[in-house]
Parts: sequence; C-alpha cells; structure tokens
Amino acid sequence: AQSVAQPEDQVNVAEGNPLTVKCTYSVSGNPYLFWYVQYPNRGLQFLLKYITGDNLVKGSYGFEAEFNKSQTSFHLKKPSALVSDSALYFCAPLLGAALIFGKGTTLSVSS
Amino acid sequence: KAGVTQTPRYLIKTRGQQVTLSCSPISGHRSVSWYQQTPGQGLQFLFEYFSETQRNKGNFPGRFSGRQFSNSRSEMNVSTLELGDSALYLCASSQANFGSYEQYFGPGTRLTVT
Repeated sequence: AQSVAQPEDQVNVAEGNPLTVKCTYSVSGNPYLFWYVQYPNRGLQFLLKYITGDNLVKGSYGFEAEFNKSQTSFHLKKPSALVSDSALYFCAPLLGAALIFGKGTTLSVSS
Repeated sequence: KAGVTQTPRYLIKTRGQQVTLSCSPISGHRSVSWYQQTPGQGLQFLFEYFSETQRNKGNFPGRFSGRQFSNSRSEMNVSTLELGDSALYLCASSQANFGSYEQYFGPGTRLTVT
C-alpha cells in the first residue's frame, strides 16, 4: 500500500532557530514529491516540489527540502524559523494525479 | 491571476439529503482534483477530472460523484448524506494532466451534516 509517514505530530522551535519537519514515504516508482502548508481555516498552499536532479530543492518563504532516495525521505527544512511559519505542514508524493498526504505536522514557532 | 474558487464556503445539510459543491479552477488549468479533509482520516483524494473526463478515482463510495464542464469548472455531488461526510472539501487545479505541475488549492467548502 502507498503511504506517507510524518513521524512528528508537532515540532516546536524558537524563532531564529533552524527547523526540520520529517517525511518518509512508501510509494512505488520514483514519485514526484511535494510539501504543502495549511493555515487555519484556509486551503493548502504549495511550498516546493522535487521532480528530479539536485537532492536539495528550494521553495517559497525560505523553505527547502532534502530528498534522499535510499531512505525514501523528503525532509522540509528552514535555516531560521519565523513565528509566522507556525502552521500545519503536509508532505505528499504524487501518485498518478492523486497527492497522497501524510497526517501533517504542526509547526509551532515561539518568539 | 485569480486563484481557485469554491462555492459555497459553508454548508449545513441533514442526513439523507444530497449536496453539490462547485469549483472554478485557475484560468488555463484543465485538471481539477477533489480532496476530503477530516480530523480522523486526514486528506484523501476523491477524484480527478481532465477535459470533462474522470480519469482517476479514490476509494470512496459511489455516493460521491463529480463532473467537469467544458470551461473546466467542476462540481462534486454527494447523495444520501451521512454524518461521516462532514468534512472540508478541497478542490485543486493544475496546468497539466499528471506530471510535475503542482496543484493549487481553493479555500474549501466546509460541509456539516446533522
């Protein structure tokens, strides 16, 4: 079965510190990989994607993600967290036309 | 460019009724997908339409159906509503069928079934 694991329900970091939100996946083939963010009472916003090539991809709002094929992981990172980054983050491989979402990780950045 | 719009934003229905939700994709986007978001099951794929054809379907009962019009606008219908259908329904549009193009999401329709 195709699945995505975001092992941490919540990640807490202090403003200015680096952050990592973890994601591992079990999907056949070489799927495209995406990160989305959801703010309260709003839809999902696209952050970044991995298609092929460089294992480190850069996206919106200073976020980047590291792809590791051998570990089937796609961890989201940011060098310096902002309070405004506090939100719900989803990792999602693309299977055909369907995004397969993880359960999400709540990021809380304290000032 | 205007984003994905969904109407209505909020809806309250009674068990046994049916409901229709509407989605207007970003101009030029021909692929429209629908997702259900609930606290228990998270985000789940319902179906995807491209050029008025349903090409992918998730694991939902036949009570959930959809269609797409020639202008790429899409509707989804849920018949014989159950309490468990209460959810945020998200529509997403994409430039291309499959592939590397990211999906852009609308704000969702919050459906409450009483």
